[in-house]
Amino acid sequence: DSGVTQTPKHLITATGQRVTLRCSPRSGDLSVYWYQQSLDQGLQFLIQYYNGEERAKGNILERFSAQQFPDLHSELNLSSLELGDSALYFCASSVAGTSIDNEQFFGPGTRLTVL
Amino acid sequence: DAKTTQPNSMESNEEEPVHLPCNHSTISGTDYIHWYRQLPSQGPEYVIHGLTSNVNNRMASLAIAEDRKSSTLILHRATLRDAAVYYCILKMVVNSGYALNFGKGTSLLVTP
Repeated sequence: DSGVTQTPKHLITATGQRVTLRCSPRSGDLSVYWYQQSLDQGLQFLIQYYNGEERAKGNILERFSAQQFPDLHSELNLSSLELGDSALYFCASSVAGTSIDNEQFFGPGTRLTVL
Repeated sequence: DAKTTQPNSMESNEEEPVHLPCNHSTISGTDYIHWYRQLPSQGPEYVIHGLTSNVNNRMASLAIAEDRKSSTLILHRATLRDAAVYYCILKMVVNSGYALNFGKGTSLLVTP
């Protein structure tokens, strides 16, 4: 158990809908990262937040957005969902996010299925 | 960003050492070499990281070539539980933060 929790574990929805994925980092970790894992693209970095502020942005679509709240939990919002958004979404956390050698701890993931 | 190259798959017998290679010929002087693994149906898990010197921890050893253009993750005694996809990663600098740039990794099969 990494100490990172993600809810829900599974999510099934229809195209065009909007969903919210939730992540609680390990106690004391200030950085939260979101990654998407699909069969064709592999594991791809989406976005990083550090202590409530966006710190790094990767291959995140404009239909996707995220935020980190004062209690440091984070939410990833996916809207206008398409079939191709079906994937595993992982959240990770680290103590800081300002050091290149910080270890990241990953949650168990949320499996999103868009029908 | 510097890229890494790993074999798609490797096989090992249980209780034998495993050497997982990684090439990173375009590595820069400040790039740390990270290894993560992903067990079936789980999120990635940190294994080890290093900069220049060889590193050891309870899970594995990391041997880094003198020119830093390659590295090898060493599992000293493979167990069935070590069957996973192993990723060799050079951490990306993105804006004012950092991210893990996962490639395709090496799928390790451990047979009894």
